[in-house]
Amino acid sequence: GAVVSQHPSRVICKSGTSVKIECRSLDFQATTMFWYRQFPKQSLMLMATSNEGSKATYEQGVEKDKFLINHASLTLSTLTVTSAHPEDSSFYICSAGGGGTDVMKKLFFGSGTQLSVL
Amino acid sequence: AQTVTQSQPEMSVQEAETVTLSCTYDTSENNYYLFWYKQPPSRQMILVIRQEAYKQQNATENRFSVNFQKAAKSFSLKISDSQLGDTAMYFCAFMKPYSSGGGADGLTFGKGTHLIIQP
Repeated sequence: GAVVSQHPSRVICKSGTSVKIECRSLDFQATTMFWYRQFPKQSLMLMATSNEGSKATYEQGVEKDKFLINHASLTLSTLTVTSAHPEDSSFYICSAGGGGTDVMKKLFFGSGTQLSVL
Repeated sequence: AQTVTQSQPEMSVQEAETVTLSCTYDTSENNYYLFWYKQPPSRQMILVIRQEAYKQQNATENRFSVNFQKAAKSFSLKISDSQLGDTAMYFCAFMKPYSSGGGADGLTFGKGTHLIIQP
């Protein structure tokens, strides 16, 4: 079964609304959560990293007030796209890392969320 | 900052053939991790193989093996006895190790290679 659960898998919303995407690690404590964005026929681009006990670190060019990340617990991270616009339409993928200082011991991806903003 | 380059946008081979996907990277780090991920049409990211930079021995996973050349900063993936199910996008990725106080960094991906296995 899935080690990292991501919901919803697909969401369609109107421009100006907010959308929340959840990412859960099912059988391990995720000390680090990563959020990526993937446009059609392109690669994954890291948006932000959330390490246990600290605020999310955003990559250059990613608006932290638009993409709110909450690492609520060691098994749950959420990405909220606020005031979504059509240009925010993309495939969003989370990744959870565990295993203490060796994040790579457990590094799994969610199944992704396709966001379409009308 | 790290960069990962995959110079082959698309490759096509016949079933059962061997294919090699290339990847080069640039970093000033001495310790790091390298990965190959497969992304089928479902878009689920699937780990194919990983390599720790401090290990000289090339990683292997069944039909998948890598040729890791640290000095050349090259990390190619060889798929032996290719199967129809190997058809997918393949991404090479780089990751710095966890650093105390700095936490973990995310993966830096190459642009990907679309591999097509022909019957």
